[in-house]
Order: sequence, then C-alpha cells, then structure tokens
Amino acid sequence: DAGVIQSPRHEVTEMGQEVTLRCKPISGHDYLFWYRQTMMRGLELLIYFNNNVPIDDSGMPEDRFSAKMPNASFSTLKIQPSEPRDSAVYFCASSLARRNEKLFFGSGTQLSVL
Amino acid sequence: GESVGLHLPTLSVQEGDNSIINCAYSNSASDYFIWYKQESGKGPQFIIDIRSNMDKRQGQRVTVLLNKTVKHLSLQIAATQPGDSAVYFCAVTGGGNKLTFGTGTQLKVEL
Repeated sequence: DAGVIQSPRHEVTEMGQEVTLRCKPISGHDYLFWYRQTMMRGLELLIYFNNNVPIDDSGMPEDRFSAKMPNASFSTLKIQPSEPRDSAVYFCASSLARRNEKLFFGSGTQLSVL
Repeated sequence: GESVGLHLPTLSVQEGDNSIINCAYSNSASDYFIWYKQESGKGPQFIIDIRSNMDKRQGQRVTVLLNKTVKHLSLQIAATQPGDSAVYFCAVTGGGNKLTFGTGTQLKVEL
C-alpha cells in the first residue's frame, strides 16, 4: 500500500481565495483524521470521520473550514475564504483501529496564505 | 482537556549513546500512549505504543516506559544513530477517545 496520500504538497494562495486539500486514506482503514500543525500550537485535531461519517468536528476553527468524505477512499478539507492565519501544514491520517490509535499520517500539505 | 508536555524542547546526544525523551500527561484516565517520529518535511511516523495495563514495552532499539503514578512516559532509543535525528512526539488518548499530541522534542545526533 502506498500509505496515506495527500495533495497538493504545497499550496500558495492569496487571502480570500478558496483552498481545497485532498486526502486518500490507506485502503481498509475506517477512520480518517485531519490535523493542522503550526509552531505555535503544534498538532491540532480538526475533524475525524468513521466510515465516512464525521464524528467530531469540534476542532474546526471556524465556519470557513469544512470537510467531507464522500466515499471510503477520498476526503477533502476546504477553507473558504482563506486567511493568512490559516497558513500551516495540514495532515491527513487514517487508522484501522476502533479508536484514535496508531494513526498513519500522510506527508502533509504546506499551505501559505499571502 | 488533556495536557501533554515534554520536559526538553531539544536533546543533543552523541552517536552511539542512548537517548531518553520524556513526556508528562495530565489526565489520570488516559489509557493509551504512543510515540511518533517526525522528520523534516514529512508526516509523523509511528514508533511504538503502550496501553495503561503495561509499564514497559520494547521494540527494535526503542523502549517505552510508563509510570502511571506520576503520569510520566518516556522513550528510550538505544545506540542512537544519525537517522534518529527528528522531532519526537508523545500522544495520549484519554476518555474522549482523542489523541492529544505533545509539543515535541527535537533530537539532534552529533557525530
């Protein structure tokens, strides 16, 4: 298996633009997670899905952020409109376990909002 | 909520020495603990995990120790190699079933 695949690896955009981050989890994994990493706040859980259903989105910072998982092999994280403070590395992770255990992370998307 | 911290932001060791990275957690109900390694430009990579019914677990060159009495977790790396240079995170799962990550320790291996 190729592991968790994220795209794009890097995204540079201007404030106010829509940004869409994509993730393909490991085949057979039931859980999918979106994390954000910054120097100031470390790794923060934004939202996670179980069997394509959002379970906990309490970490989503604002209504500007939304996430979907239309099927077991694809998820998106969308920011609209984007702001400079959204600049961070966004990671997608998936897990086979019943709970949030032994997550396998993708390589991340480095987002820069100018 | 869960609070997870590490004792040192940076740890420098000589190649071949053993490394010990420490982590403290706050929730006594935490029952699952995990260590990740993150190299520059990559996502966190699973190293080893341990459940609260154990106090020690060993992997290849790594050992995790859990002291529930003082809510302390450590990662020991034997015979540290240059390839071990990375940021190491502990993460803890508590009653909310969420993994809370620590702030990370930068391990630097000196030749």
